[in-house]
Amino acid sequence: DAKTTQPPSMDCAEGRAANLPCNHSTISGNEYVYWYRQIHSQGPQYIIHGLKNNETNEMASLIITEDRKSSTLILPHATLRDTAVYYCIVRSHTGANSKLTFGKGITLSVRP
Amino acid sequence: EAQVTQNPRYLITVTGKKLTVTCSQNMNHEYMSWYRQDPGLGLRQIYYSMNVEVTDKGDVPEGYKVSRKEKRNFPLILESPSPNQTSLYFCASSLGRMNTEAFFGQGTRLTVV
Repeated sequence: DAKTTQPPSMDCAEGRAANLPCNHSTISGNEYVYWYRQIHSQGPQYIIHGLKNNETNEMASLIITEDRKSSTLILPHATLRDTAVYYCIVRSHTGANSKLTFGKGITLSVRP
Repeated sequence: EAQVTQNPRYLITVTGKKLTVTCSQNMNHEYMSWYRQDPGLGLRQIYYSMNVEVTDKGDVPEGYKVSRKEKRNFPLILESPSPNQTSLYFCASSLGRMNTEAFFGQGTRLTVV
């Protein structure tokens, strides 16, 4: 699987949008971009995923650049409960093992 | 409620004393896996299972065993625990290996002294 690069941390004010960047310059054509988050040593939680089109669900939006070398996860109205480590993962849907390769992630701190 | 349940949540044990961490899911998922999380190393896959009686090694299988006799259960067995297996363990399940969303348990914090 291709690797991803994320800044180690960022913060944002409660109620504002949080834009979390991710670089995946070596992504191949059949690899998807996934986002998970982990709140204080709890089990990781799935947020969203996409291949090349922008995606939106009840939790977040995912914007993937046209060349697919980077993406941004957007939490439209961040709350204190969104404080967590966010993992950007590039993953193929082929192969026998469906494992998720977690990097270091980005620590988002939402301030009051 | 759809969930993955791990037990125990916390465990302190001594070197060499066999232990089992249980994992159960109520979503009829085919695919299950175990991860361990260590500071600076992130989450690493230990074992995975694509269905009943089908298991395979992940990235760090040494010192661990698993079994999948029933679809809902995927226990992690440490036959002779050592201090380097002190870690935070997570079980995960998904509908299939290609399925998009993996559900994780709440974690088991294991300390081996």
